[in-house]
Amino acid sequence: AQSVAQPEDQVNVAEGNPLTVKCTYSVSGNPYLFWYVQYPNRGLQFLLKYITGDNLVKGSYGFEAEFNKSQTSFHLKKPSALVSDSALYFCAVRDDSSASKIIFGSGTRLSIRP
Amino acid sequence: EAQVTQNPRYLITVTGKKLTVTCSQNMNHEYMSWYRQDPGLGLRQIYYSMNVEVTDKGDVPEGYKVSRKEKRNFPLILESPSPNQTSLYFCASSSFLGGSYNSPLHFGNGTRLTVT
Repeated sequence: AQSVAQPEDQVNVAEGNPLTVKCTYSVSGNPYLFWYVQYPNRGLQFLLKYITGDNLVKGSYGFEAEFNKSQTSFHLKKPSALVSDSALYFCAVRDDSSASKIIFGSGTRLSIRP
Repeated sequence: EAQVTQNPRYLITVTGKKLTVTCSQNMNHEYMSWYRQDPGLGLRQIYYSMNVEVTDKGDVPEGYKVSRKEKRNFPLILESPSPNQTSLYFCASSSFLGGSYNSPLHFGNGTRLTVT
């Protein structure tokens, strides 16, 4: 069965420090992996995706994510956090053998302190 | 501007009073979907549509109906709302490129529904 886990409800980082938001997944076929960000009173916005190819994917606002097939992980990273990065982040997976299903993680609230 | 438009943004209703939340996209996307967001549960898929006149249940379809008569519209219908349907609802769409659904979802701004 398809599933996504975001093990941390909240991540706290000081501005200027690197940040990591963790995501692990389980699919039966090949995964399509996505990260989305949600700001207050807004819908989710697409950050980046992994489909195939290079394991390090770069996205919007300086974010990147590393696909690790052996660990079935797709962690979101940024070298230097900004206060404006504070938001709710969701990892999502789509199984290429069942394109209709998109499973979201429970979300991680990222808080960047000045 | 490419967008997914949901209406209304806020809705307070009473148990049993039928309501419809509208969703429209202007990107000619084939795939559309409804989600509900609840604290600690992330987003759960209610219904989705792969194209016009093609709809199917997601993970939490009970108490909801949808229709896809036109490509751009995908309304969510609650025939007899109950308090456990109080939630934040999102409509989303994506395209079907090169025979694959690996395009990201575009989301509306959400509808906050309260059922008393």
